[in-house]
Amino acid sequence: QVQLVESGGGLVKPGESLRLSCVASGFSFSDYFMGWIRLAPGKGLEWVSYITSRSNTTYYAEFVQGRFTISRDNAKKSLYLQLNSLSVDDTAVYYCARVASNVRYWGQGTLVIVSS
Amino acid sequence: DIQVTQSPHSLSASAGDRVTITCQASHDIHNYVNWYQKRPGKAPKLLIYDASKLETGVPSRFSGSGSGTDFILTISSLQPEDVATYYCQQFDNLPYTFGQGTKLEIK
Repeated sequence: QVQLVESGGGLVKPGESLRLSCVASGFSFSDYFMGWIRLAPGKGLEWVSYITSRSNTTYYAEFVQGRFTISRDNAKKSLYLQLNSLSVDDTAVYYCARVASNVRYWGQGTLVIVSS
Repeated sequence: DIQVTQSPHSLSASAGDRVTITCQASHDIHNYVNWYQKRPGKAPKLLIYDASKLETGVPSRFSGSGSGTDFILTISSLQPEDVATYYCQQFDNLPYTFGQGTKLEIK
């Protein structure tokens, strides 16, 4: 069955960095767009970033402002999100998601807490 | 990005009640709407896709309707396990934006 397993979250101070990873299984990873969606305390689901199947195109939400970088390694069936210059507003659960006309498959989420 | 506006923001109803949540798009998005349920501590779950198709395994008390700019999620008989936040999502244009969410509670 399809599985998406995230890792890499944690507690960091403002201005610090983290790298989130997501390992996929149970489907042909290289055939799908993949993305990151986050849920911050008191806010709704919001797209952070997505990447096309061959990494030709990436999208970033406005709030990213050049601080995050999405990437993928199809050979390793892995998706990554490099988070730099983190601020307290980036505190959220970050979900890895298989992007299609709907998001049928989500990871369990990895918690990023940014606090001084 | 396409804007989708959900209402109400929160809702309290009794077990057995019929509950409706609406989603309005900023322009015609045909039937390109999905609905998700988000329970605390769980990943979001797809309930309805293509505006009205019930995802496999989702109870039949959930239904979706609408087209164009106005969409509705209906729970025909509210159950305690339905306490969650519900989100609509448009997939007419990337990024497939979400509504703001509707928090559903049981009285």
